[in-house]
Amino acid sequence: KAGVTQTPRYLIKTRGQQVTLSCSPISGHRSVSWYQQTPGQGLQFLFEYFSETQRNKGNFPGRFSGRQFSNSRSEMNVSTLELGDSALYLCASSLPGLAGGEQFFGPGTRLTVL
Amino acid sequence: TQLLEQSPQFLSIQEGENLTVYCNSSSVFSSLQWYRQEPGEGPVLLVTVVTGGEVKKLKRLTFQFGDARKDSSLHITAAQPGDTGLYLCAGARSNYQLIWGAGTKLIIKP
Repeated sequence: KAGVTQTPRYLIKTRGQQVTLSCSPISGHRSVSWYQQTPGQGLQFLFEYFSETQRNKGNFPGRFSGRQFSNSRSEMNVSTLELGDSALYLCASSLPGLAGGEQFFGPGTRLTVL
Repeated sequence: TQLLEQSPQFLSIQEGENLTVYCNSSSVFSSLQWYRQEPGEGPVLLVTVVTGGEVKKLKRLTFQFGDARKDSSLHITAAQPGDTGLYLCAGARSNYQLIWGAGTKLIIKP
């Protein structure tokens, strides 16, 4: 079974630009979560989608948004990029219906904002 | 507010030594998961503990869930350089959300 895939793996943007990251979950997994990881803040939860609906949301500004498609693939968008948005963005999928289901992570997208 | 406290934050020991890392909270969780993350990769699930007092073993790694389901520990026997990584714990709540600890960065020196 193929694992979680994320594209692109690396991205360099400048302040003020916007970016869209993509995540394909493991086949059969309907929950997709997004995380931001930085050395200073650790792993921070952004949001979770289940059956195309946002089910949980972390404490991030509205510049961070996401969506999920009918095939469970998900995208996250960051608008008006700031230097502090430089981070590893991780996507994780899990089986449907489980409270705090075990997460299967992709390799991440390393975003650098200049 | 960090709802899951992991300690120590950083640990560097020699190959062959034993170690224990902790994951503590004042909240009760329905289950607790441990992950290991290597540089440049996403975290990988090691184990899930569900029942209070439960002990699970994965080769040289022993995981324990506290009786009250508020805390957990990970003990590594005879650590090897391949154990190097960031160890993360995550507690599951009934609203489908996972609460993550900040992690323990472990370095095993040959």
